[in-house]
Amino acid sequence: QQPVQSPQAVILREGEDAVINCSSSKALYSVHWYRQKHGEAPVFLMILLKGGEQKGHEKISASFNEKKQQSSLYLTASQLSYSGTYFCGTENAGNNRKLIWGLGTSLAVNP
Amino acid sequence: DGGITQSPKYLFRKEGQNVTLSCEQNLNHDAMYWYRQDPGQGLRLIYYSQIVNDFQKGDIAEGYSVSREKKESFPLTVTSAQKNPTAFYLCASSTNPQGSIPDTQYFGPGTRLTVL
Repeated sequence: QQPVQSPQAVILREGEDAVINCSSSKALYSVHWYRQKHGEAPVFLMILLKGGEQKGHEKISASFNEKKQQSSLYLTASQLSYSGTYFCGTENAGNNRKLIWGLGTSLAVNP
Repeated sequence: DGGITQSPKYLFRKEGQNVTLSCEQNLNHDAMYWYRQDPGQGLRLIYYSQIVNDFQKGDIAEGYSVSREKKESFPLTVTSAQKNPTAFYLCASSTNPQGSIPDTQYFGPGTRLTVL
């Protein structure tokens, strides 16, 4: 039931792009993306809804593929501040609105 | 400033002692949540509350207890029955958990509990 995130870890040079995937074995109602810096609280990035459009702000965007039961997070022209662990939380139909969290993808952006 | 506060940031306790972690929010959110995070792991739900005076067990409630006497407060007690309590504990809140659209959870800064 836990969503599977891939890859587990990514190392980028500043300015490079990355894609992080979040896949569920159950039908998705929504996907929530967060970024967490070491020792800090997760910070909300965006929600993707079933049947909704692609979301994004600045150089971070995400899509929702209902057929594949998957969401992808796109980071373009990465900045040093993008470093951290990215988590997806999935809401499945009939799960009483509880989020189930993936194990996270560690992203390191180097100069 | 609106937000969620957790105290203390670091907490040490001796094995066999109960300890209570504080979580307060002034966002006027109805729902509050407690998660546990271990190194390299995702967030695991301990307890959640969608309304005052009501709460439900999450996936790993054993050895923990909560209360929700006020809308803004949701303290978590880690009891001596919890076998492996050393972890990072995160509290979160959200506005409308029963609404028709998905609800964003906002997190506090966390409490790192170490059992000696």
